[in-house]
This record gives sequence, structure tokens and C-alpha cells, in this order.
Amino acid sequence: SAVISQKPSRDICQRGTSLTIQCQVDSQVTMMFWYRQQPGQSLTLIATANQGSEATYESGFVIDKFPISRPNLTFSTLTVSNMSPEDSSIYLCSVSVTNTGELFFGEGSRLTVL
Amino acid sequence: QQQVKQSPQSLIVQKGGISIINCAYENTAFDYFPWYQQFPGKGPALLIAIRPDVSEKKEGRFTISFNKSAKQFSLHIMDSQPGDSATYFCAASPDSNYQLIWGAGTKLIIKP
Repeated sequence: SAVISQKPSRDICQRGTSLTIQCQVDSQVTMMFWYRQQPGQSLTLIATANQGSEATYESGFVIDKFPISRPNLTFSTLTVSNMSPEDSSIYLCSVSVTNTGELFFGEGSRLTVL
Repeated sequence: QQQVKQSPQSLIVQKGGISIINCAYENTAFDYFPWYQQFPGKGPALLIAIRPDVSEKKEGRFTISFNKSAKQFSLHIMDSQPGDSATYFCAASPDSNYQLIWGAGTKLIIKP
């Protein structure tokens, strides 16, 4: 299993600013992912955070808007840049620690953009 | 073809009753079908998963039924309890190492 800590748990931000979300895992993991979840909605994969190389982004998400760092096997950050109210959402960090396919999630970072 | 269609969107069940959530898929390459449970303010957590070589998998009060020919799978919660009130997501992928395709979610409320 894996225990994932996300910071901040919630924040209220002004339009046009940027916010960095941190994800810390209690063990070394190869696969780390960032998801977005609108309240009451399903999960949408933003990107796979790769250690030592650029993140792999899903269709509709770009590096300039959602830059991701992965400096080591236990930590990653997601930045939401130049925020607009449409970015208000829950951002979830997730990891895969075995080849069973099970994903472990952090508790999420609830972002509100005014 | 990449979609997983989940129904119902919401479900209210009396305590002690059976909760049933259904999912359907199109991509015959899918061979891993998990269900995740999410409580408010928490991230999703794996509840139970199945592969298409079996038609049913049971863990405690939770059962997945899988119909390969119909390309459907469902979650049954027996003797539903108020603590089961949560949002449930089905998902699918062609391999456990590939990204999941998520259903839309079902908000389940168990009335005491």
C-alpha cells in the first residue's frame, strides 16, 4: 500500500495567479499521476509524472498550464498556472505501487478560483 | 469505444437492502475492471476488481458480476449499511498497467 500526503488540502485563489500542489508518498513509487475531479463528477487524468523526465500529458492538458515536477520517486508537484474560475476543482495525486493495477489516492486539494 | 457507461447516477437503498450499480463498456480489449469507493473529502479507494476469466468475484458483502458477452459488469452490495453511503466508480483498462477509463460515478445513499 501507499500513504499519500497532499498540500494544501484546500485553497482559495485569485484569478490570474498560480498555485502549486505538493504530493508526498511514504515509499518509492514508479508511477505517479495527477487527476482532476470536479465536485460530484468523475476523475480526469491530467498527466503522468515521470521521474527524471517531462510529464506525459493527456489530451486537453498542456505543460504551460499544468507544469509538473518529479524530482525523486517519493515527491511530485502540480502547478495550476494563470488560474481562472474554470480551474476550480479537486486535484488528486495518485500512485501505483504494484503490478496489480491498484491505484492509491491522496485526499485531494480543493481549489477555488475567484 | 473508450467509454465506460455507469448507471444509475444516484441510488437510495434502505438499510439491509441490496445495492446494484451497473457498468457497460465497448472496447473488447478491456480486461481489468475495478470498482472504487469514494467518501466525501477523501480520494477514491479500490474496493474490488475482476478480470474476465471469471464471471463473479465476492469479497464480504461486495460482489462483482461480469458478463463478457454483454460487455457489462455490476457491483452488488448485500445487506447495505449507512456506512456504505459513498460515491462508487467503475473503471476499465486493457491491462492493469494501463490507465483506467472511469465511469461517471454513482452516489449511493443508504437510509437507516
